[in-house]
Amino acid sequence: EVQLVQSGAEVKKPGESLRISCKGSGYSFTSYWITWVRQMPGKGLEWMGAIDPSDSYTNYSPSFQGHVTISVDKSISTAYLQWSGLKASDTAMYYCARLAGQYSSSQPIDYWGQGTLVTVSS
Amino acid sequence: EIVLTQSPGTLSLSPGERATLSCRASQSVSSSDLAWYQQKPGQAPRLLIYGASSRATGIPDRFSGSGSGTDFTLTISRLEPEDFAVYYCQQYGRSPFTFGPGTKVDIK
Repeated sequence: EVQLVQSGAEVKKPGESLRISCKGSGYSFTSYWITWVRQMPGKGLEWMGAIDPSDSYTNYSPSFQGHVTISVDKSISTAYLQWSGLKASDTAMYYCARLAGQYSSSQPIDYWGQGTLVTVSS
Repeated sequence: EIVLTQSPGTLSLSPGERATLSCRASQSVSSSDLAWYQQKPGQAPRLLIYGASSRATGIPDRFSGSGSGTDFTLTISRLEPEDFAVYYCQQYGRSPFTFGPGTKVDIK
């Protein structure tokens, strides 16, 4: 069974750093891209970027480029989303998800993690 | 960046009725690389349709997708109580792989 299990909810202050994780299991982790999707409170879905776990090649949305870093540790089948200086506007639910179809980023999302709620408040 | 517009914003219908949701793209979506997702409160989204018209695994046949180019439609032939949710379209043909703002289908 394909599963993506995300790390737990976080409460941080503005300016702090944070890394959240997403562990894949039940499939060949390096064969499928992982993507991150933001959902601000009461709002819609926003595609942030994606990573190829086989070689760590990343593709960011211009809206998020430079503000977040997507990485992966394929030895433990885990992807990460990282901030070096959080803002209150980063408060949101963050989903990791797997792109369907092997070896390509132009794919729909077939499996989703349960989401990680990040709250940034002074 | 391809901008997706969904209409209507909210659709109020009764169980058993037919729902027709629209997704319009600012530029042609390559190879019909368009998906539809369903999201219920407190849950992650679920893939319904990919390639504009192919149902994902386990999706009932009351859900159907159609369209090409810039105009796409998700149809729910007869609404079941569990279908009341928010529906998003997404294009995955050209990065960034944008989502539409969503259509909420609620109970009339």
